[in-house]
Amino acid sequence: AQTVTQSQPEMSVQEAETVTLSCTYDTSENNYYLFWYKQPPSRQMILVIRQEAYKQQNATENRFSVNFQKAAKSFSLKISDSQLGDTAMYFCAFMKRGSGTASKLTFGTGTRLQVTL
Amino acid sequence: EAQVTQNPRYLITVTGKKLTVTCSQNMNHEYMSWYRQDPGLGLRQIYYSMNVEVTDKGDVPEGYKVSRKEKRNFPLILESPSPNQTSLYFCASSLVGLAVTDTQYFGPGTRLTVL
Repeated sequence: AQTVTQSQPEMSVQEAETVTLSCTYDTSENNYYLFWYKQPPSRQMILVIRQEAYKQQNATENRFSVNFQKAAKSFSLKISDSQLGDTAMYFCAFMKRGSGTASKLTFGTGTRLQVTL
Repeated sequence: EAQVTQNPRYLITVTGKKLTVTCSQNMNHEYMSWYRQDPGLGLRQIYYSMNVEVTDKGDVPEGYKVSRKEKRNFPLILESPSPNQTSLYFCASSLVGLAVTDTQYFGPGTRLTVL
């Protein structure tokens, strides 16, 4: 079974600064995806970024980037130029990838990020 | 607009009164899934479906039922709700296959309170 650990329950960052959210996972699989989802106060689950395990290059989406360390089983999210709208709960998630199948997402417990003026 | 819809968005009910939360997607996705979100626990999978008439248990299936008679719909049924099923529920869907990214798209959530 897979486990995902987010060791920072809450974090705070000032507007325009950079913040890094940590995530580690445990799996014996070699083929998988990792995700960061954002959940603002509206409670909607919004995909932020996705990383395929077989890709060495770290994924980037505008101000969001990841540091994927496969050997260390680490998948951190960096938010640059933080904005007030980034205030949300952030969930790290793991999904095993199989031939012709879809699989469940295993979530961490979340990190609540507060962006302040 | 591609989306996953859930109804109702909010529901307060009493112990033992059967209820159904509907989920519908318009993206022709094969895979659909239900999760519940509880404080300090993240999201946990309840049931999932790989296609019509194909369903299976997730991590926390006790007290829930599902059905998949049509590709677009995947209702969650609580036949005798109990207070420990008070939670935020999410439906999600995705494509299935090697050539796709399997990104799951989530509905807006249903806040259920069982008194």
